[in-house]
Amino acid sequence: DGGITQSPKYLFRKEGQNVTLSCEQNLNHDAMYWYRQDPGQGLRLIYYSQIVNDFQKGDIAEGYSVSREKKESFPLTVTSAQKNPTAFYLCASSEGGLNTGELFFGEGSRLTVL
Amino acid sequence: DQQVKQNSPSLSVQEGRISILNCDYTNSMFDYFLWYKKYPAEGPTFLISISSIKDKNEDGRFTVFLNKSAKHLSLHIVPSQPGDSAVYFCAASVGGSNYKLTFGKGTLLTVNP
Repeated sequence: DGGITQSPKYLFRKEGQNVTLSCEQNLNHDAMYWYRQDPGQGLRLIYYSQIVNDFQKGDIAEGYSVSREKKESFPLTVTSAQKNPTAFYLCASSEGGLNTGELFFGEGSRLTVL
Repeated sequence: DQQVKQNSPSLSVQEGRISILNCDYTNSMFDYFLWYKKYPAEGPTFLISISSIKDKNEDGRFTVFLNKSAKHLSLHIVPSQPGDSAVYFCAASVGGSNYKLTFGKGTLLTVNP
């Protein structure tokens, strides 16, 4: 079945540690995204990638890093520079960037920093 | 500054009745609007979209209405079913771009049997 797979689903880390969240898609989509959701908040864009080997900062990129070495993979690293890393992280993909309708989301990864 | 506002954090309706979810926006450059539905601990799924050249788009039980002069859109669900209970997010973009979707905070819809 085509879709987006995020792992791990739940992750606990100590303060000061870097964490990498995995996102893999087999939809053959060019564009991929990382969003963050906090309680009572809308989704906020962290990074997006239009094509392989290219990515752009979203609205809240500070303290995060990404890579896009393969079309199907877009991992997100939450670094120790991120002040409030505890959140629900969503990866998404789309065929392209314009008028393509919808983003397809993964099931999310919940990161808790102790 | 919140450019997409969903002023009702929650809505409760009876099964079989109409659910109306509202969304207001402030950026007049927005020209493409989408609704997503999200169950707990899952990612959002796309529901329906509308371009600013239209004022209505229908898909089965779901209809989205767009009032550009009022900068307001609404999602109507008729008839509402218990399985519709979820958080509904309104999103908007400029030029139909997926790269800069702006999401509202969401409205939790509860459909009571």
